[in-house]
Amino acid sequence: AQSVTQLDSQVPVFEEAPVELRCNYSSSVSVYLFWYVQYPNQGLQLLLKYLSGSTLVKGINGFEAEFNKSQTSFHLRKPSVHISDTAEYFCAVKTLNFGNEKLTFGTGTRLTIIP
Amino acid sequence: DGGITQSPKYLFRKEGQNVTLSCEQNLNHDAMYWYRQDPGQGLRLIYYSQIVNDFQKGDIAEGYSVSREKKESFPLTVTSAQKNPTAFYLCASSLRGSLNTEAFFGQGTRLTVV
Repeated sequence: AQSVTQLDSQVPVFEEAPVELRCNYSSSVSVYLFWYVQYPNQGLQLLLKYLSGSTLVKGINGFEAEFNKSQTSFHLRKPSVHISDTAEYFCAVKTLNFGNEKLTFGTGTRLTIIP
Repeated sequence: DGGITQSPKYLFRKEGQNVTLSCEQNLNHDAMYWYRQDPGQGLRLIYYSQIVNDFQKGDIAEGYSVSREKKESFPLTVTSAQKNPTAFYLCASSLRGSLNTEAFFGQGTRLTVV
């Protein structure tokens, strides 16, 4: 079974400062990795995904993430945050075990941007 | 435009009543999912369906039921057996197999039981 750990439940950051949201996963088979963003009382929107190939993945809104297989991590980064980035961010994993295609989510990280 | 529609956005029910949440998609996706979201717990899978007339229990299926009679629709019933039904419910869909590289989410239904 796969699992996802987001160690930071809340991250406050000053506007225009860089941010890193951490995600570690556990799986005995190869995986796809995702970051989703959720604004208040809304559904989830895909920020970026790692399927294969280059370990540095670029997404929407200036976010990027790096897949590190040896450390089983997929941390999300942005060099300069904006007030509009205030939201909750979820890391998710899906195993490449066809027939078991459910997404497993972390508990989320609430990013608060301080003006 | 293609997408997933959940209705209603807000739902209030009395304790002990069954309630059904609607989820419709026009993305031609085979797979559909129901998640429950509670503060600090992330998203937990309730049920999922990979094809019409078939579905599987997720991690927290007790007190819930689903049906998948049509490809486009995957309604969730919260029964009176669910001990703590107040939560935010999210429906999602995706392609299957090797094409399953992303799940698309609806806007959610906030259920409050009083």
